[in-house]
Amino acid sequence: EVQLVESGGGLVQPGGSLRLSCAASEFIFSAYSMNWVRQAPGRGLEWVSYISSSSASIYYADSVKGRFTISRDNAKKSLFLQMNSLRVEDTAVYYCAQSYGSGDDAFNIWGQGTMVTVSS
Amino acid sequence: QSALTQPASVSGSPGQSITISCTGTSSDVGGYNYVSWYQQHPGKAPKLMIYDVSNRPSGVSDRFSGSKSGNTASLTISGLQAEDEADYYCSSYRSSTTRVFGTGTKVTVL
Repeated sequence: EVQLVESGGGLVQPGGSLRLSCAASEFIFSAYSMNWVRQAPGRGLEWVSYISSSSASIYYADSVKGRFTISRDNAKKSLFLQMNSLRVEDTAVYYCAQSYGSGDDAFNIWGQGTMVTVSS
Repeated sequence: QSALTQPASVSGSPGQSITISCTGTSSDVGGYNYVSWYQQHPGKAPKLMIYDVSNRPSGVSDRFSGSKSGNTASLTISGLQAEDEADYYCSSYRSSTTRVFGTGTKVTVL
């Protein structure tokens, strides 16, 4: 079964760091661009970051630029999100999602999400 | 990065058709044919329903259709069913470096 599985979420104090991982299975991970999308409790979806298949192109939402770093390891079929200088407003479920469509803009396969809570 | 505008809620009776709008600007929805739609049931991950404005991924019911006119995209659900009750989000390419979601619409089947 094609799937993505996130891990690494948890409770962290403001100013702290956390590294999320996303493991892919049953599709050619190295052929697809990937994304992180988050959803704060009771709120809507927010795109966080994008990385192309070869890691040549990397983009971030303004809200996380300079604090978060996306990366991938195609040999290990894994996607990562290093989150530094965390803020209370970063509290959310974080999903990894496979890019899709002519503009590489749609989000096709999604993981189940991992919860990140930033609180003192 | 401001979100695209969707109605907070839309409702309909079983068998009816409903349409959800997604309004942006010429810098996103109106500027590219890269609009997608997602269905999200409570506690679940979103599911891609429409991409590239009007294309359905394999396995998505043909009761779901998408369109666009100017800066507004639309998702139409025909033959509304109880299982369609969920939150729906649009998304658009805003530039090669940015993607943006809509505010979300709660669909209620009466």
